[in-house]
Amino acid sequence: GQQVMQIPQYQHVQEGEDFTTYCNSSTTLSNIQWYKQRPGGHPVFLIQLVKSGEVKKQKRLTFQFGEAKKNSSLHITATQTTDVGTYFCAGRKGNTDKLIFGTGTRLQVFP
Amino acid sequence: GAVVSQHPSRVICKSGTSVKIECRSLDFQATTMFWYRQFPKKSLMLMATSNEGSKATYEQGVEKDKFLINHASLTLSTLTVTSAHPEDSSFYICSAHGLAGVTDTQYFGPGTRLTVL
Repeated sequence: GQQVMQIPQYQHVQEGEDFTTYCNSSTTLSNIQWYKQRPGGHPVFLIQLVKSGEVKKQKRLTFQFGEAKKNSSLHITATQTTDVGTYFCAGRKGNTDKLIFGTGTRLQVFP
Repeated sequence: GAVVSQHPSRVICKSGTSVKIECRSLDFQATTMFWYRQFPKKSLMLMATSNEGSKATYEQGVEKDKFLINHASLTLSTLTVTSAHPEDSSFYICSAHGLAGVTDTQYFGPGTRLTVL
């Protein structure tokens, strides 16, 4: 079954509000990636985190990898309507190339 | 960035027929490609890992005789859904992992929406 869970499953926010999605794995990950999927589209790579405790920023997006490398978060500051979509984390275990996708968080932004 | 194409983008077929989906890496060589399926409003579920020149590795619960995978070259992998049934209707997405020199990530194709009547 699914071993990487994300919360919340779904979130509505008003434009300008912040948004955070949390990703939790039952096992330690070698690295974690984040993807965004627009409605009707395919996943688009956002970022990869490798080191324990790593924090990376992309404009209004802040990504964090937990110290134990079992959890991660994506925070969006001052959401815009263009942020609408489903955000997936995806983790790798060991040396495998396989990605295990999280359950996803669907973000809706109201103008 | 790297580009992965899928063909067809959408297919409707009758129950019992077979459907072939192609996944191509257009500007890089992919030793490994992955096939996922995604049901509406659900996550991507890995079906199998396709390795160039060798047999695909299937995830638990995925029937290898039903979902035939062929990875004949470094730029092409195909997924054939044999004797399709309505429950096989889904969004099938491939991704390609590049060789050294390409960013260590997976590049996803645009997906193929299969509807089995």
